[in-house]
Amino acid sequence: DQQVKQNSPSLSVQEGRISILNCDYTNSMFDYFLWYKKYPAEGPTFLISISSIKDKNEDGRFTVFLNKSAKHLSLHIVPSQPGDSAVYFCAASVGSGNTGKLIFGQGTTLQVKP
Amino acid sequence: EAGVAQSPRYKIIEKRQSVAFWCNPISGHATLYWYQQILGQGPKLLIQFQNNGVVDDSQLPKDRFSAERLKGVDSTLKIQPAKLEDSAVYLCASSPGTGLETQYFGPGTRLLVL
Repeated sequence: DQQVKQNSPSLSVQEGRISILNCDYTNSMFDYFLWYKKYPAEGPTFLISISSIKDKNEDGRFTVFLNKSAKHLSLHIVPSQPGDSAVYFCAASVGSGNTGKLIFGQGTTLQVKP
Repeated sequence: EAGVAQSPRYKIIEKRQSVAFWCNPISGHATLYWYQQILGQGPKLLIQFQNNGVVDDSQLPKDRFSAERLKGVDSTLKIQPAKLEDSAVYLCASSPGTGLETQYFGPGTRLLVL
């Protein structure tokens, strides 16, 4: 029962262009969503989050969009840089507090070509 | 500030053997998590501690997995006996307890069961 799905295992984009990573979820109780970035041999690091009361959250080059009716969120990286090459995980939770449990997607490997 | 430390970084064992992983969280972090990440999947929460008490262990296979957090600081995760399907990266994370995005992950222990 995969409650959070990232259907694209990999994505390749040219430096300077936009990267769009997608994530779908099935549990309508989820109300908090996060994106993590993971480099090889390191643990995931938090990137950006969004609450279900919003449809967009922006932080520098990173923007997360949430479409609740479609149960879909996406991460936009503009402009993409070679250092952005990593595995990106989306995660969802019921509640944003510390007692919430993160449910992760399978991850999408992003390669940004110079 | 030192990050989450984990050891060993790599471990190879044969099935039915026992193995233990160690985690030292960021100083002062009350909450500690153990995740299992199987190749091609996202991290899955195994157990969550608040200080030295268990908050959630609903996905911990208790017939073979055990975890403890002595004195509310370091933690160990044990598998006894190991199965082939336990091959994965075991991630430890800690949080000061102020929100989901404040989970800081360690580099993980890569376990291979032959």
